[in-house]
Amino acid sequence: LAKTTQPISMDSYEGQEVNITCSHNNIATNDYITWYQQFPSQGPRFIIQGYKTKVTNEVASLFIPADRKSSTLSLPRVSLSDTAVYYCLVGRANDYKLSFGAGTTVTVRA
Amino acid sequence: DVKVTQSSRYLVKRTGEKVFLECVQDMDHENMFWYRQDPGLGLRLIYFSYDVKMKEKGDIPEGYSVSREKKERFSLILESASTNQTSMYLCASSGGEQGVGELFFGEGSRLTVL
Repeated sequence: LAKTTQPISMDSYEGQEVNITCSHNNIATNDYITWYQQFPSQGPRFIIQGYKTKVTNEVASLFIPADRKSSTLSLPRVSLSDTAVYYCLVGRANDYKLSFGAGTTVTVRA
Repeated sequence: DVKVTQSSRYLVKRTGEKVFLECVQDMDHENMFWYRQDPGLGLRLIYFSYDVKMKEKGDIPEGYSVSREKKERFSLILESASTNQTSMYLCASSGGEQGVGELFFGEGSRLTVL
């Protein structure tokens, strides 16, 4: 399983863009990169998933360089409600033992 | 709307008691999971099931067992609860191929063992 490394915490202000980088140096050819968001007292929820280059949805963008050894989750114009823990996961089909690390706690201030 | 429902949000049990945590999903998913979450440790996989009556150990199965008699229901059992099992327990389900498919989580069950 590819191990991931991400910052423990990040602070931001409302309206700013937040970029969280996740390192996964031993990512395998078949691995996808997935990000989840977790609010206090709730289960994590899926944000975005990608394999290479760039993926964008209504919530975030995911940038993956050509070597795929890292990825960056970009949250545009954050608000107070984006304060949460963000997890980066790497896994492939039939990979049931997905590993959630400690995640990155993002705190958005007014 | 997809839903994973955990039977209890909060439980308080005594050391040595048998504890059942129930999880039901309404998405006809093949895969179901039990995680525990502790501060600073993220989510750790206890057990998972990829089909009815099938189960596999996760990273921390010691002290736990599971049951999956029906596709929609996955139970976590603590045969003899101990204080170090005080934690937040999260159930999840996914369809199709894990690692590519999305995990859907329940709201969590916070267990306190006294």
